[in-house]
Amino acid sequence: SQQGEEDPQALSIQEGENATMNCSYKTSINNLQWYRQNSGRGLVHLILIRSNEREKHSGRLRVTLDTSKKSSSLLITASRAADTASYFCATVVYGGSQGNLIFGKGTKLSVKP
Amino acid sequence: GAVVSQHPSRVICKSGTSVKIECRSLDFQATTMFWYRQFPKQSLMLMATSNEGSKATYEQGVEKDKFLINHASLTLSTLTVTSAHPEDSSFYICSAARERAFANTEAFFGQGTRLTVV
Repeated sequence: SQQGEEDPQALSIQEGENATMNCSYKTSINNLQWYRQNSGRGLVHLILIRSNEREKHSGRLRVTLDTSKKSSSLLITASRAADTASYFCATVVYGGSQGNLIFGKGTKLSVKP
Repeated sequence: GAVVSQHPSRVICKSGTSVKIECRSLDFQATTMFWYRQFPKQSLMLMATSNEGSKATYEQGVEKDKFLINHASLTLSTLTVTSAHPEDSSFYICSAARERAFANTEAFFGQGTRLTVV
């Protein structure tokens, strides 16, 4: 099952512009995580935001979390061609003491030089 | 960050044969490892969760007898696709976590394995 829904599904921008991706989820969460995937590769963790946090920064990344709306956004500022990748949000779903990361459908970002 | 190594990165096999994919956590002990499947241009679908020394927990719709998971040590989990068919062709990705609850930590992913069954 999938927990998160990202939008847009695809985003194409010019280098230097900002890219904003949104994620909505369905159940209560402990934290929400954003990952990046280059084509045909594994995922790389970008940032984790806890349910009691509203905003978090890491370099050119800014993540917001609105638990009342069950949504999060990832902003990449001053984008570079190397930022071209798919970006996924993931939430943790608990079953007993076990947590599982459930991924959204992802946003495919294309940054043109 | 921590390193998770997945092998092989690509494999082509004949229909009816079995394929084993290894996932190793190189610099930490992974109490839990996860196996995902990803179809082209789609998200990751969790197949199963394995905890060291115990049976894997499979997601609904995933055939236990077809996708055998072994987590014999804190650094190694294997996924064996048995009697592979062309519809099993996909991108398989493993991930490992230091703790079971993900309360404070992220997952670390292998590079993925592209399986093609001909």
